[in-house]
Amino acid sequence: DAKTTQPPSMDCAEGRAANLPCNHSTISGNEYVYWYRQIHSQGPQYIIHGLKNNETNEMASLIITEDRKSSTLILPHATLRDTAVYYCIVRGNTGGFKTIFGAGTRLFVKA
Amino acid sequence: DGGITQSPKYLFRKEGQNVTLSCEQNLNHDAMYWYRQDPGQGLRLIYYSQIVNDFQKGDIAEGYSVSREKKESFPLTVTSAQKNPTAFYLCASKIGGSSNSPLHFGNGTRLTVT
Repeated sequence: DAKTTQPPSMDCAEGRAANLPCNHSTISGNEYVYWYRQIHSQGPQYIIHGLKNNETNEMASLIITEDRKSSTLILPHATLRDTAVYYCIVRGNTGGFKTIFGAGTRLFVKA
Repeated sequence: DGGITQSPKYLFRKEGQNVTLSCEQNLNHDAMYWYRQDPGQGLRLIYYSQIVNDFQKGDIAEGYSVSREKKESFPLTVTSAQKNPTAFYLCASKIGGSSNSPLHFGNGTRLTVT
């Protein structure tokens, strides 16, 4: 599975959009991009995933660049409860989830 | 509600004792996984199982053992051979082993060994 790179931390004002970047320059054609978040002392929560088209659900939007080497998770109106560690992972369509979660981005949403 | 249940939430053991962490899911998922998380770090895969009565080692399997006798259950035993067992343990499951469906996680068990 391809490696991902994320900034260690980011700040966002409450009510504003939070844009979390992820670099996955070695992604291969059959690998999906997944985003999870983890609030302290809880299990990670699935947010969204995509292959090459942009995706949107009730939680967030996922924008994947045309060359698929990077992506951005967008939380359109961040709230204090969105403060968490956000993980971007890349995984192919076969096999299990092996070593996948890096250190992620710690997002601080401030009032 | 469907989900993954890990119990207990907190577990304390003396060094040299084996301990078993429970993971049960009612999502009818085929694949189940165990991860370990240390402070400030990501998750590392211990073991995974894609089908009943079959499981594979992950990246840090030494000192751990698992069983998968039932589809809904995937207990993890932390043995006395695990050199640094104190950590946050997370269980996860997903539909099938070779689909793009996402992982679903339990809320973890925090194990402290003294």
